[in-house]
Amino acid sequence: DAGITQSPRHKVTETGTPVTLRCHQTENHRYMYWYRQDPGHGLRLIHYSYGVKDTDKGEVSDGYSVSRSKTEDFLLTLESATSSQTSVYFCAISEGGWGTEAFFGQGTRLTVV
Amino acid sequence: TQLLEQSPQFLSIQEGENLTVYCNSSSVFSSLQWYRQEPGEGPVLLVTVVTGGEVKKLKRLTFQFGDARKDSSLHITAAQPGDTGLYLCAGSNQGGKLIFGQGTELSVKP
Repeated sequence: DAGITQSPRHKVTETGTPVTLRCHQTENHRYMYWYRQDPGHGLRLIHYSYGVKDTDKGEVSDGYSVSRSKTEDFLLTLESATSSQTSVYFCAISEGGWGTEAFFGQGTRLTVV
Repeated sequence: TQLLEQSPQFLSIQEGENLTVYCNSSSVFSSLQWYRQEPGEGPVLLVTVVTGGEVKKLKRLTFQFGDARKDSSLHITAAQPGDTGLYLCAGSNQGGKLIFGQGTELSVKP
């Protein structure tokens, strides 16, 4: 299995609070991605990174920020959590970007109450 | 904005039947991939296609990339209950952005 760990695996938080999810990899892959998964929507890209300090927005980036200060860690922050951000969040890594296999973490189930 | 549209969204069939899932876009992609996801797990790669018109076979699964590299299909022959799961197509370009379709939920009944 690819060395990719998401933490926490489950979290319940209150509306308006900031939340940070962590993705850690041991594969030294260049590309890292954050997705959210909701019924009927597949996986929607929030942000992705193509190197340390190099990030770009995905389809649903509003209300989210990311940081990548080290190759192995990619953090996703919900600046002020809302109920619409209740979802399952997946981190993925890829060695070469396009055309190469993406490996996924186990997911983080986030509930905003 | 690049979008990938999958159809159908839901498919319930009997064991032994054949099925085809479609993945369409108005954008050109450098590569298209198909992933399969089981409940509680992350998606796992089935295949990558990179050349327009390319056809790849994986046992009972046949994948095709459209000539214009805007669409793809997944055909399963003689479906089995073990094929049950969520099938996702994903497109990427040389910038590394990887986007997914909304998925096809397949249920194969014995």
